[in-house]
Amino acid sequence: NAGVTQTPKFQVLKTGQSMTLQCAQDMNHNSMYWYRQDPGMGLRLIYYSASEGTTDKGEVPNGYNVSRLNKREFSLRLESAAPSQTSVYFCASTKWTPPYEQYFGPGTRLTVT
Amino acid sequence: SQELEQSPQSLIVQEGKNLTINCTSSKTLYGLYWYKQKYGEGLIFLMMLQKGGEEKSHEKITAKLDEKKQQSSLHITASQPSHAGIYLCGAEIQGAQKLVFGQGTRLTINP
Repeated sequence: NAGVTQTPKFQVLKTGQSMTLQCAQDMNHNSMYWYRQDPGMGLRLIYYSASEGTTDKGEVPNGYNVSRLNKREFSLRLESAAPSQTSVYFCASTKWTPPYEQYFGPGTRLTVT
Repeated sequence: SQELEQSPQSLIVQEGKNLTINCTSSKTLYGLYWYKQKYGEGLIFLMMLQKGGEEKSHEKITAKLDEKKQQSSLHITASQPSHAGIYLCGAEIQGAQKLVFGQGTRLTINP
């Protein structure tokens, strides 16, 4: 099992450009999540999908859109990148039965200039 | 909304010393998760606590959840360079399938 995979690992964008971060999991998990991590801020939830076909906003959804393409894949799209979106982005998944642990991808380091 | 406060935010200890990281919640915790992140990598699940007074250990790392279920501590005994990284606590949001995280504690182990 690959677990949770994310692409790309690194990306540099100019202000106003768009891009999609891809995430896939092969653990048959129902729930998937997108977080951003900034220094001193911990992890903040952007969007999540509790199950296939549903998506919900997290703490910091502005400037992002998501698509739960199928049970395996959950993508995050930046329509018009801004310097404030410079961050490390993590995707996670969980089966949401005890012990509810979330499995994280390796992260995408995004810089917006 | 539930908030988690971790202390300290940064910790530098000498190899072999013991240390403690705290995670305090503004509301009752229904599930408290500890994760470790090595620099530049993803998060690795360490352990989860659910019951008041519960204590779990994994190798030299012990985590406790207090009786009132509003604070958890992570204790490392005889620290090693491999313990270096960022430790994050996460809490279940009651009724929702998501976690809220603390801001993290950056641990450095000096040889």
